[in-house]
Parts: sequence; structure tokens; C-alpha cells
Amino acid sequence: GENVEQHPSTLSVQEGDSAVIKCTYSDSASNYFPWYKQELGKRPQLIIDIRSNVGEKKDQRIAVTLNKTAKHFSLHITETQPEDSAVYFCAAPDRATGRRALTFGSGTRLQVQP
Amino acid sequence: DAGITQSPRHKVTETGTPVTLRCHQTENHRYMYWYRQDPGHGLRLIHYSYGVKDTDKGEVSDGYSVSRSKTEDFLLTLESATSSQTSVYFCATSTHSGTEAYEQYFGPGTRLTVT
Repeated sequence: GENVEQHPSTLSVQEGDSAVIKCTYSDSASNYFPWYKQELGKRPQLIIDIRSNVGEKKDQRIAVTLNKTAKHFSLHITETQPEDSAVYFCAAPDRATGRRALTFGSGTRLQVQP
Repeated sequence: DAGITQSPRHKVTETGTPVTLRCHQTENHRYMYWYRQDPGHGLRLIHYSYGVKDTDKGEVSDGYSVSRSKTEDFLLTLESATSSQTSVYFCATSTHSGTEAYEQYFGPGTRLTVT
């Protein structure tokens, strides 16, 4: 099946700085790449996603970039705020097994220091 | 939150006992999923369903079974709970369509402790 690797596992930044989280995937046919944010004790929630026909997508302070050749995609958060502190997960479709499901990365714990 | 609820929200049970977790959705989504979340492992797929009575295994399906008799309900059963099944369990639904949209919406989670 799809193998999704996510780095770093933890990330600490100062408020106002930028944060970047990177994921690599193994299946070159994957065509959909979402990012989820999970606050402590809460459910994961979709914050942004990108499809393989575009290279970048922005939504206010967050953006996702996709490099299909290198098979990696990244989440960029600018002007970080304390409320950005959470665990972030990337995912990619599990196309190789035929499952209509997502394979998730292991997560990145982002801490924004005020 | 896409109208997804899970019950119970917390459960403590003993090794060897059967446990059933319920996921209920009001969105009429075709696809439903069960994940477990453990530190360092992200979200791992246990089983999923692509329609009433249509289910398939995920990457960590051993020791779990599922059933879906109605569109809105997806049940996860641990036939004989073990300590390794202590985890947080999330249900999710998907708006998957013919264009392969995989947006997933998660329930609030169930924290299961097996002693």
C-alpha cells in the first residue's frame, strides 16, 4: 500500500515565525493530498488539501505545495500564532491496494511559543 | 463536524471481554472508516465500509470485526479485547465520489482502555 513519511515529528517555533512540515509518498499515482490538524483531545479536522493537477494552494496563512516528480508535499504556516499549536497529519490515497481510504503520516507536533 | 457521533466516548474493559463501538452519521455519506490512534503511529486504518453490508480490511484489522446494516451506522467489535487494543478509536466518513474525492470527516473519538 501507500507509504507516507512525515517530518519532523516535533517542531517548535516562535510566534510570528513560519513553520514547514514535509511529507513524502510512495505511489506516483496518488492524486489527492490533505492536511489535518488535531488539537489536544479533539478530532482531526481538514485544514487544506491539494490535488495533483496543481502545484500550490493557499488559504490565508496556510499553504500546501506539491512536487509530483519528487513525490513530496509540504504544509507551510506563516505568521504562526499560539492557536496553531497542535498535531498535524498529512495523508495520501491508498490507491495501490484498491482501498478507497487514506494512509496517514505519523504526525508532527507543532508548538508555537508566545 | 459532519454529524458524526461515537459511543461510548470512554470505556474501560477487562482482557478477554467483547467490546462494541458504535459510529453514527447523519450525512448519508457512503464511505465509513474505523481508525486507531496511538502515539508515534498516526492514524491507522482498521476496517472500512463502502456501502451497506460492504466492508473491507485495513492495515491493522487483526482482532477486529465490523458490521454495517444501515447507511448511518458502522459498528466495530473487539471479539476478545487485549491490552494491545488500548487506544483511541476514531470513526470517519467520506464524501468520496466518482472523481475520487477523499475528504474525510472524523467523529469525536472513543478512548478504550483494556486492563
